[in-house]
Amino acid sequence: QQQVKQSPQSLIVQKGGISIINCAYENTAFDYFPWYQQFPGKGPALLIAIRPDVSEKKEGRFTISFNKSAKQFSLHIMDSQPGDSATYFCAAGSDSGGGADGLTFGKGTHLIIQP
Amino acid sequence: KAGVTQTPRYLIKTRGQQVTLSCSPISGHRSVSWYQQTPGQGLQFLFEYFSETQRNKGNFPGRFSGRQFSNSRSEMNVSTLELGDSALYLCASTWTGNTEAFFGQGTRLTVV
Repeated sequence: QQQVKQSPQSLIVQKGGISIINCAYENTAFDYFPWYQQFPGKGPALLIAIRPDVSEKKEGRFTISFNKSAKQFSLHIMDSQPGDSATYFCAAGSDSGGGADGLTFGKGTHLIIQP
Repeated sequence: KAGVTQTPRYLIKTRGQQVTLSCSPISGHRSVSWYQQTPGQGLQFLFEYFSETQRNKGNFPGRFSGRQFSNSRSEMNVSTLELGDSALYLCASTWTGNTEAFFGQGTRLTVV
């Protein structure tokens, strides 16, 4: 079964610190790797995404690092703020087969930023 | 620009009943995917529709079905509800494929 393994399951970071969440995938056909942020009672919101032709992508305080050979990617949240407290999901998908065969999601990381 | 709209937000059904959930995608988006979110299994892909055709389906029983209309709005149906079907059902819309999938707020289904 195609899997995306995400760690840690929960994370506590002090305000202003760096939050790091890691994911590993198995299927080399994946060519799209998004991160989603979900607040209680809300649907997941697309945060940032990367394709395997680049090793890093930065948008504001959020950075994705991608290691194709290791089949790993990570999310870094710089200068973490209490408003960043949420559940974060990594995902992987492939658009090359024609149609969306669905994103495969990690189990999520519950992030708490302490003021 | 309006986001993805799912109705209803909450539903309570009894075992054995059936339920229909609705999703209106972002204007211009032609692909709608459905996901089931539970604490134990996380987010799991149900199926994807594009131009009124189901293109892909996840590993769910035949009790889960869906359809898409010519205006790209989609419905999913679950028949013969089981307690284990209690979940948050999410739909995501894209222009096509997986890229930049935007989710609705979901429908919280409780089966009693």
